[in-house]
Amino acid sequence: QKEVEQDPGPLSVPEGAIVSLNCTYSNSAFQYFMWYRQYSRKGPELLMYTYSSGNKEDGRFTAQVDKSSKYISLFIRDSQPSDSATYLCASGLTGGGNKLTFGTGTQLKVEL
Amino acid sequence: ETGVTQSPTHLIKTRGQQVTLRCSSQSGHNTVSWYQQALGQGPQFIFQYYREEENGRGNFPPRFSGLQFPNYSSELNVNALELDDSALYLCASTPGLVVTGELFFGEGSRLTVL
Repeated sequence: QKEVEQDPGPLSVPEGAIVSLNCTYSNSAFQYFMWYRQYSRKGPELLMYTYSSGNKEDGRFTAQVDKSSKYISLFIRDSQPSDSATYLCASGLTGGGNKLTFGTGTQLKVEL
Repeated sequence: ETGVTQSPTHLIKTRGQQVTLRCSSQSGHNTVSWYQQALGQGPQFIFQYYREEENGRGNFPPRFSGLQFPNYSSELNVNALELDDSALYLCASTPGLVVTGELFFGEGSRLTVL
């Protein structure tokens, strides 16, 4: 079993839709939870970062972490074609340095 | 501010050969980590370097090795290449060891092993 599980998709939605992306994790010691966005032929870039449980909002993006169920979510409101990319969830340990455990990534396509 | 740069962007090797990939960290960043991203998979942590010393390693065999130089640039070396080594190799830098979640990634070096 992978430590971070993510549905690879692909997920196709119409422009303006609300997108929900989800991950589960198995290591209860994870304290840091992140969402990265990766465009084709590019390196990942950080979208959202959350420490422990809770919600975080940044513009059209909302990240949620539920440590009791080991569930990580990213919501995208008013999705745009420019949001078409692969979304990677990642988790890290306190004292783990820059060692992150990534999910497989979900490929999202927002269509006009 | 110059971001993370990697070279070469693409390369093709044959099984059994050796490869060296290079990374220049973002200005002001002293920590570099390397990740392997196979096609359709998420990045997997190989190792990280802090102040020229390896500081943490993932589940990769010893034929994966690295270096960090005084200017904080880094190399990833892979010996005795196998077909499964075909992947995108990503370098990421940060201004220290503390996990903030924000790794600054380069665009990667795509290695194909034939």
